[in-house]
Order: sequence, then C-alpha cells, then structure tokens
Amino acid sequence: DAKTTQPNSMESNEEEPVHLPCNHSTISGTDYIHWYRQLPSQGPEYVIHGLTSNVNNRMASLAIAEDRKSSTLILHRATLRDAAVYYCIPPVSFGNEKLTFGTGTRLTIIP
Amino acid sequence: DTGVSQNPRHKITKRGQNVTFRCDPISEHNRLYWYRQTLGQGPEFLTYFQNEAQLEKSRLLSDRFSAERPKGSFSTLEIQRTEQGDSAMYLCASSLSLSANLGNTIYFGEGSWLTVV
Repeated sequence: DAKTTQPNSMESNEEEPVHLPCNHSTISGTDYIHWYRQLPSQGPEYVIHGLTSNVNNRMASLAIAEDRKSSTLILHRATLRDAAVYYCIPPVSFGNEKLTFGTGTRLTIIP
Repeated sequence: DTGVSQNPRHKITKRGQNVTFRCDPISEHNRLYWYRQTLGQGPEFLTYFQNEAQLEKSRLLSDRFSAERPKGSFSTLEIQRTEQGDSAMYLCASSLSLSANLGNTIYFGEGSWLTVV
C-alpha cells in the first residue's frame, strides 16, 4: 500500500508562510496527491489536490516535486484559524477509492 | 445547511448496550463512508457504500458493527454490545462516485462522539 511520511508537528508564527512537507515515494504516475486538514473537534476538510504541476486555491498552494515523490503544502499567511492537523493522503488507486489517514502534522500557530 | 449531517453528536452509553448513529450525506452524493477516530490518531476507515451497496469493509469492523444504507440515502452504523474500546468519534463522509483518484472531494460530517462507560 502507498504510504506518506509527514513530520508529527510544526509551529509557525501568525501571518507568516508555512510549508508543510510530505514524502510519498511510492506514488505512481497517475495518482493524485490530496491534502486534508482537521480543525479541533471537527471532521476533516478538503484542502487541495494535485497531480503534477503546482496548484493554487483560496486555502493553500501545493508544490509538487518534479519526481512527484514529495510535495509541500503552503499556507501563504497563517492565521490562528489554520491551527489544525494536516493530512497528506496516500495516493488513491482505482478500485481502492477511500482516503487513508496517518497521524498527520499538527500545526500550531503562535500569535 | 447542506453538508453531511450526523446524529447524535454525543452519546454516552453503558458497556454492553447497543448504539446507533445516523448519517445524512450531501443529497446528490452516492458514496458514503464511515470512519472511526480515537484521540491523537487520524481517522480509520471502516466501510463505504455506493448507493445502497456496501462495497468494502475494514477488518476493524467486527461482527458487533453493522452499517446499512437501505435506500441509498441516509446510513446507520450500529454497534452491538458496546465495549470501552469502542469509545471514539465516528465520522461519516460522502462524495460523488467519481474516483478520488480523479481528485473528487470527500466531505466529512462533524462526527458522533461515543463514550462507553
């Protein structure tokens, strides 16, 4: 099964950019990379996904390495509301279309 | 609110009792997922449905657990003869049937907390 590796925790100052890394060395050529986050006492929520090129949306940016074995979720200007656990989801395969969560990266924002 | 709805949000039950959780997915979504989450861990997959068909069950889903989605709309998760180890948050999620591999988003509810005393 495909797996991802993330740091257990990270800290960042408020209003500064945050770079959350993820290794997914077993990814195959057609697998998307998904990121979800979970705010305290809530269910996970979608953040962003991508395949090859970098992706941007209103929440974050996703920078994907050229060999696709790693990616970085970028929060351009972290706020206190971004404090959450961020999950880099192992690639989903056709016929195995469920999200598998690890323990994620717990992001703490320092005011 | 048109998101995924779960109830009850909190349930305290005595060991050995049965409990049932209900999930109402986003109305046009034909896939429905159940996950379980304990403190400090990420959500663990339990089972998922496409319409009324239960397509996959995790080994975590012991014979005391049963999930149904009788008309392909709402779903129930029943736990029989609860044990203290069942204490967790039970999360429901829904999506369209497009493969997540195509980048389809899965939407989660806020979860149902179960405490077995």
